[in-house]
Amino acid sequence: AQKITQTQPGMFVQEKEAVTLDCTYDTSDQSYGLFWYKQPSSGEMIFLIYQGSYDEQNATEGRYSLNFQKARKSANLVISASQLGDSAMYFCAMREGPQNDMRFGAGTRLTVKP
Amino acid sequence: DGGITQSPKYLFRKEGQNVTLSCEQNLNHDAMYWYRQDPGQGLRLIYYSQIVNDFQKGDIAEGYSVSREKKESFPLTVTSAQKNPTAFYLCASSTGAWNTEAFFGQGTRLTVV
Repeated sequence: AQKITQTQPGMFVQEKEAVTLDCTYDTSDQSYGLFWYKQPSSGEMIFLIYQGSYDEQNATEGRYSLNFQKARKSANLVISASQLGDSAMYFCAMREGPQNDMRFGAGTRLTVKP
Repeated sequence: DGGITQSPKYLFRKEGQNVTLSCEQNLNHDAMYWYRQDPGQGLRLIYYSQIVNDFQKGDIAEGYSVSREKKESFPLTVTSAQKNPTAFYLCASSTGAWNTEAFFGQGTRLTVV
């Protein structure tokens, strides 16, 4: 069964605007971590932000914030003040406590328009 | 510099040949992972290892094999049993804790002709 779902194959945003990339997850574990990665066209994977299942506050890292709604099992990434360099693939991932593996969603391709 | 190194960056092989992709890390991480990525797609887990001499199958292990004889190394062999091996392969490592991120190598682009 798919554990990480990203329903937006592609998104467009105007430069300097904010954008939200959706991510829902499925787990029965109490301990899990949620991660967002950026993949530019070069192929490298860049870690952006982390949210733990026990964290009560939404995570923030510069222009990135994570809208964590535990009851709805969603962990949406918000990018504020979009820049042209934000154009890339974005992946949501989850790491569950016991298994300790890390699985990824299908990704969202974000295009920032000037 | 600490990091995770994959080699080679590009690899070409003839159909029917086995090929081994290298992954080395000097981050002292216990866990290591192999993922496959097809064009425009997400990352699919092939194998992962939480400790030396132990590894588990991921979602698409058929046609692949791994070993974990040293903490620093987690090579992936793409065997002739893998029906469509042409893809981008990413190796990652992390600490043993579930609340830490994974660090990725630069990837190996395998083309089988």
